[in-house]
Amino acid sequence: DAGVIQSPRHEVTEMGQEVTLRCKPISGHNSLFWYRQTMMRGLELLIYFNNNVPIDDSGMPEDRFSAKMPNASFSTLKIQPSEPRDSAVYFCASSPRDSMNTEAFFGQGTRLTVV
Amino acid sequence: EDQVTQSPEALRLQEGESSSLNCSYTVSGLRGLFWYRQDPGKGPEFLFTLYSAGEEKEKERLKATLTKKESFLHITAPKPEDSATYLCGSRGGNTPLVFGKGTRLSVIA
Repeated sequence: DAGVIQSPRHEVTEMGQEVTLRCKPISGHNSLFWYRQTMMRGLELLIYFNNNVPIDDSGMPEDRFSAKMPNASFSTLKIQPSEPRDSAVYFCASSPRDSMNTEAFFGQGTRLTVV
Repeated sequence: EDQVTQSPEALRLQEGESSSLNCSYTVSGLRGLFWYRQDPGKGPEFLFTLYSAGEEKEKERLKATLTKKESFLHITAPKPEDSATYLCGSRGGNTPLVFGKGTRLSVIA
């Protein structure tokens, strides 16, 4: 298996633009997570899906952020409008079980820079 | 508020010099304490999950232990390839998974 696949690997955009990050989880995994990592705040959980349904979005910072999972093999994280403080590395992870108490497998991340 | 604090922030060891990384957590009703390894430019890689005080898990030169307030990642006779950032995270009750900021480990040959 190729693991969790994220695209793009790097994204540079101007403030105010819409940004869409993409994730393909490991086949057969039914839990998917979006994380954000910065030097200041470390690794933060943004949202968690189980069987394509959002279960916990308490980590989504504000309404500018939205996430979807239209099917078991694809998820997006959208930021509209983007701001410089959104600059971070965004990770997608998937897990084979229906719980937050199990290990997650991470993608390589998308490094987002908003100028 | 659930919190995870890792120490030290950075650790430099000689090859073969054993040491321990600390993870202090405050969470109600622990549902899992997680250890991950992260290499530069890559996503975190799962190492261990611990669920109850007294539990221990081992993998090669790494051993993770858990008490009611702390977890330790013991590294025995480390090698340069063990150099990475080690992340600790915890989850309790209905709260989301919270990670510490990590410990950057450098092992010098």
